[in-house]
Order: sequence, then C-alpha cells, then structure tokens
Amino acid sequence: QKEVEQDPGPLSVPEGAIVSLNCTYSNSAFQYFMWYRQYSRKGPELLMYTYSSGNKEDGRFTAQVDKSSKYISLFIRDSQPSDSATYLCAMTVSGGSYIPTFGRGTSLIVHP
Amino acid sequence: EAEVAQSPRYKITEKSQAVAFWCDPISGHATLYWYRQILGQGPELLVQFQDESVVDDSQLPKDRFSAERLKGVDSTLKIQPAELGDSAMYLCASSLDRVTDTQYFGPGTRLTVL
Repeated sequence: QKEVEQDPGPLSVPEGAIVSLNCTYSNSAFQYFMWYRQYSRKGPELLMYTYSSGNKEDGRFTAQVDKSSKYISLFIRDSQPSDSATYLCAMTVSGGSYIPTFGRGTSLIVHP
Repeated sequence: EAEVAQSPRYKITEKSQAVAFWCDPISGHATLYWYRQILGQGPELLVQFQDESVVDDSQLPKDRFSAERLKGVDSTLKIQPAELGDSAMYLCASSLDRVTDTQYFGPGTRLTVL
C-alpha cells in the first residue's frame, strides 16, 4: 500500500460544477498538506498549502484536512475549462526533510 | 515572473546511450531538486542539493545516474547508460531553502528511451 492514495480518474464535469478531489494517507506523521496543479507537458505548480487540520480558502479553491480520518480534499467551485489539469496532493512530515510525498494525481476534465 | 528553466524539453535516445539534462533554478534559490515522474504517477525525488552539496541522493540509482551542481547555481543530471525503464519526465525544482519554502517546478524534460 502506498503512503498516499489518490484516484487517477479521469473526472469529467460540466463547466460551473463543484469539483471534489480527494486523497487518503497512511502516515500519521504528515503535518503539511499541499495541492499541486499540473497541466499537460508542464511541471506542477503549488495551489494550496495547509498545516495540520482545518480548512483553507483561496478564491474558488478550498482545501480541507481531516487528520483523524487521514483524508484531505480540494474543492473547486464554479469550475472552468481552464481548470482541466491533473491535481496532485502532496504531504510532508514536520521536522523531517520536507520532501513531499506525492499522490499519483487525479485528471480533471471540465467541459464547456 | 522568475521561472525554473530546463533543457531539453524532449529527448529521445536509444538504450545504452548517455543523456544529460540541464536545470537553471530561480535566482537566489539555494535548494535544488531533481524528480522523476513516471506517466500516471506523482514525482519522486532523485536528488536534493543545498547550494553545491548533495543533501539527499538516497533514491538516485548511482550505478547509472549522476548529478552535479558545481557552482551552486545550475545543475546537470546524467544517465549512462540509459535503460528502457528510464522513460519518464524529469523535473527540476528549486526553493529558497529546504525547510519550509515552496518548491517551484520547471517544465520538465520528457525522456523516451527506445
């Protein structure tokens, strides 16, 4: 079993839909949780960054962390065709090397 | 906006040949990372530099891979000889420091080994 599990999709939604992307993890030492967006043939770019449990909102994006369930989510409101990309969750332990452990990514397709 | 530069963007080679990838991090970023991303998977760290020193190369297949960052700025990753299983995206990232700062990724080099 991998440390970080993420459904590869693809997830196909109509424009304007609310998108929910999720990851589960097994290492209870993970404290920092990140979401990256990766467009085709590009490198990942950091979208959201949260520490420990709770919610964080940035525009149309909301990140949630539930450490008791070892489950993190990224919500995208009013999804746009430009949101079509692969979304990678990543997490690191506190006090360690801070090298993120990535999920395999979920491919999101938002169709007009 | 400053970006991490990588070249070449695409490389096709035959197995047993040597290949080299180059990365120029964002100016002032002391920490540089090389990742390998197999299609459909997340990036996995190969090597991490702090300035010119290797901090972590535990996942680097040292029998065929080498990496250097001689002057603490740009970096080269080499594979010799290349094997079919090396086909992947090779990503370079940089950050101001290795503790808490955000990693910024370059566009990657897509390697295909025939």
